[in-house]
Amino acid sequence: DQQVKQNSPSLSVQEGRISILNCDYTNSMFDYFLWYKKYPAEGPTFLISISSIKDKNEDGRFTVFLNKSAKHLSLHIVPSQPGDSAVYFCAASDQGGSQGNLIFGKGTKLSVKP
Amino acid sequence: SQTIHQWPATLVQPVGSPLSLECTVEGTSNPNLYWYRQAAGRGLQLLFYSVGIGQISSEVPQNLSASRPQDRQFILSSKKLLLSDSVFYLCAWNPQGGNEKLFFGSGTQLSVL
Repeated sequence: DQQVKQNSPSLSVQEGRISILNCDYTNSMFDYFLWYKKYPAEGPTFLISISSIKDKNEDGRFTVFLNKSAKHLSLHIVPSQPGDSAVYFCAASDQGGSQGNLIFGKGTKLSVKP
Repeated sequence: SQTIHQWPATLVQPVGSPLSLECTVEGTSNPNLYWYRQAAGRGLQLLFYSVGIGQISSEVPQNLSASRPQDRQFILSSKKLLLSDSVFYLCAWNPQGGNEKLFFGSGTQLSVL
């Protein structure tokens, strides 16, 4: 059973417009959420995170929104740039867990067209 | 500063041959260490994690194994590779005791022919 779901395998956006990547989770014990960005043949790099005590976290062009009641989070990129074209993974963690393992979604491939 | 090294970047191996991928972390002590894999069109799947020397937990049954002979060294192995082992392998670490973000290595693309 997939605990973290990214239902859109791909997304295409025009340069300068907003990119919205969505993520849903099923485990109500998750209380820390992260977004990673991955280019082909490279390891994922951390992008932004949010704790469950917040509903929004912003870092430059990137903003993550968390809706705990809906068990949904989203990543907004504005304005989108061609260099943002990559696969974005949503991940969740249960801080009460002993290992701090992250559960990843399957990823959404973002293509930003010039 | 902390760095993670994973090698090789690419590897081509025949079916039935052994495998050894190595990962080392510098600049930190007693890290949590992880091996993930990513198949095409799939998410990141946790294979093994370790909280200390000789302590290995397996998340997914498979023909792979992991070992941690030193504090900052994590090795992924197989005695006999299968065609289905042809995926992208990632090593990662995070500080002991925290749920902070994972730091990933650059990955190894394994092709089993």
